[in-house]
Amino acid sequence: ELKVEQNPLFLSMQEGKNYTIYCNYSTTSDRLYWYRQDPGKSLESLFVLLSNGAVKQEGRLMASLDTKARLSTLHITAAVHDLSATYFCAVDRGGNQFYFGTGTSLTVIP
Amino acid sequence: DVKVTQSSRYLVKRTGEKVFLECVQDMDHENMFWYRQDPGLGLRLIYFSYDVKMKEKGDIPEGYSVSREKKERFSLILESASTNQTSMYLCASSDPRGLFSYNEQFFGPGTRLTVL
Repeated sequence: ELKVEQNPLFLSMQEGKNYTIYCNYSTTSDRLYWYRQDPGKSLESLFVLLSNGAVKQEGRLMASLDTKARLSTLHITAAVHDLSATYFCAVDRGGNQFYFGTGTSLTVIP
Repeated sequence: DVKVTQSSRYLVKRTGEKVFLECVQDMDHENMFWYRQDPGLGLRLIYFSYDVKMKEKGDIPEGYSVSREKKERFSLILESASTNQTSMYLCASSDPRGLFSYNEQFFGPGTRLTVL
């Protein structure tokens, strides 16, 4: 059974600090996606990682993919309140079927 | 921009009722998906479709059916709603065609369904 595990599930951090969210998955896949969800809203695409070693950056967020370790990370640099949201990783298990992690709820405290 | 719309943001139904959730996308995408989202469980795939009149079961199809009569529209049907189907339902679409297609899924705003 495919498993996609995110940790931590809940993260409370102060503004200005750095932190990393981890996404481990149990099957072979070259594609991994990161989404953001604000409370009461739908999922917004953040990053698409298409190969081993892929790194994407947007503002204070940077995502990377290690397909050999079956691990993706989402690194937050100098967090600001606007980054408070729930972050999901998703693995393409073939046929464009995604398997989502349980999400990481991030709260950035002023 | 891709736009995925869902017919209702909030819906309250009674046990045993037949419930229709509608999803429309405006980008001529081939693939469409229905998920449900529950706290602590992430998103779970209910059904998906690769083309008109085609449907495939996802991970949790029991108690649900779908219909795709037109390419832009994908409906989720709860034949006889039960309280354990209270959830947030999210529709998504994607398209594997095109030089720069990354199979990225685009999501609608969601329908929060409560079954009493």
